[in-house]
Amino acid sequence: GAGVSQSPRYKVAKRGQDVALRCDPISGHVSLFWYQQALGQGPEFLTYFQNEAQLDKSGLPSDRFFAERPEGSVSTLKIQRTQQEDSAVYLCASSFTNERYEQYFGPGTRLTVT
Amino acid sequence: GNSVTQMEGPVTLSEEAFLTINCTYTATGYPSLFWYVQYPGEGLQLLLKATKADDKGSNKGFEATYRKETTSFHLEKGSVQVSDSAVYFCALKGRGSFGNEKLTFGTGTRLTIIP
Repeated sequence: GAGVSQSPRYKVAKRGQDVALRCDPISGHVSLFWYQQALGQGPEFLTYFQNEAQLDKSGLPSDRFFAERPEGSVSTLKIQRTQQEDSAVYLCASSFTNERYEQYFGPGTRLTVT
Repeated sequence: GNSVTQMEGPVTLSEEAFLTINCTYTATGYPSLFWYVQYPGEGLQLLLKATKADDKGSNKGFEATYRKETTSFHLEKGSVQVSDSAVYFCALKGRGSFGNEKLTFGTGTRLTIIP
């Protein structure tokens, strides 16, 4: 079956531009996560949704980062006024509800801010 | 808060060598532990997991045992192959209510196997 898909796969933005990154989770997966992976580092948690409810946004690094999942399926991560330090791979993962289930990761969106 | 410390790389081994990648963790409560693998050009994949103390996770010849007394989850394989070349991430996930479902990752260990 289809896995988690993300688009675009690569994005180059000039500093100060706004970007929107899309995640299509596996059908039926209730939980959705966003992670940020800087070069040479492990992924770091950004935010978590259960259906359309954003239950944890403690990892969002600033108020320039905003995520939504309005219908409990597709999610968008928006970064306003991008800065060079936002350059990273943004990973989306989905799972069935609760901690007993594996998180399946998408291929990521590589964002480069110039 | 939760944290994971894993062996820094890169690690280079000859084919059929024995592999150990160390991982230790700090967490409240009783976390689940994972090893993820990222092959070149691919996304993160779950390699193995263990959900309670003394559990052993295994897959594709890799093993790791959840050691609560040493807060460790070291990855081992008896005979590595060139196809095992990848970046390996140790991770933990807390138990319980919302907010504990996020994964906390180590920094990753790049493994290269030479023929």
